[in-house]
Amino acid sequence: QKEVEQDPGPLSVPEGAIVSLNCTYSNSAFQYFMWYRQYSRKGPELLMYTYSSGNKEDGRFTAQVDKSSKYISLFIRDSQPSDSATYLCAIYTGANSKLTFGKGITLSVRP
Amino acid sequence: DTAVSQTPKYLVTQMGNDKSIKCEQNLGHDTMYWYKQDSKKFLKIMFSYNNKELIINETVPNRFSPKSPDKAHLNLHINSLELGDSAVYFCASSQGLGFGEQYFGPGTRLTVT
Repeated sequence: QKEVEQDPGPLSVPEGAIVSLNCTYSNSAFQYFMWYRQYSRKGPELLMYTYSSGNKEDGRFTAQVDKSSKYISLFIRDSQPSDSATYLCAIYTGANSKLTFGKGITLSVRP
Repeated sequence: DTAVSQTPKYLVTQMGNDKSIKCEQNLGHDTMYWYKQDSKKFLKIMFSYNNKELIINETVPNRFSPKSPDKAHLNLHINSLELGDSAVYFCASSQGLGFGEQYFGPGTRLTVT
């Protein structure tokens, strides 16, 4: 089992839809949970991070962590064509000071 | 000003050749990384350096050798290139070894023919 599993894509939604992107992880030692966004032909950039169970909101984006289920989600409200990108969940553990990424899911928001 | 830069952006070469990719960051960070992203967008860490010291060395063939001449630079040299080395290689940097945002470069698209 991979350390971080991400729902496969690609995903195509109409503009204005609510998008849910999900990851599961296997190591309960994981401490910090991040979402990176990667536009085509660019490097990933940090979108949001959280370290506790619960929700964290930033504009149209909400990151949700459920440590008991080892499940993390990113919700995008009122999705826009500019949200079209690959989204990668990433989890950090201090034990070896590294980020472990999920496989990434490519989202396309149709105008 | 580009925060993390990589050269070259594209690299096309034949099997068996040796090539290098260079990375520079002007953010004043002390930790730098090399990642490999395959055609399915899976991003996997290869190496990390903190203050020029190797910290992470994942299971990477020893044909890959990173070198950090100073905190702002981390280069990747690849010997005897193979078809399976074709991927996008990203350099990244962060402040400190602990949790912290990693800033990625634009990537180097390596194609081995």
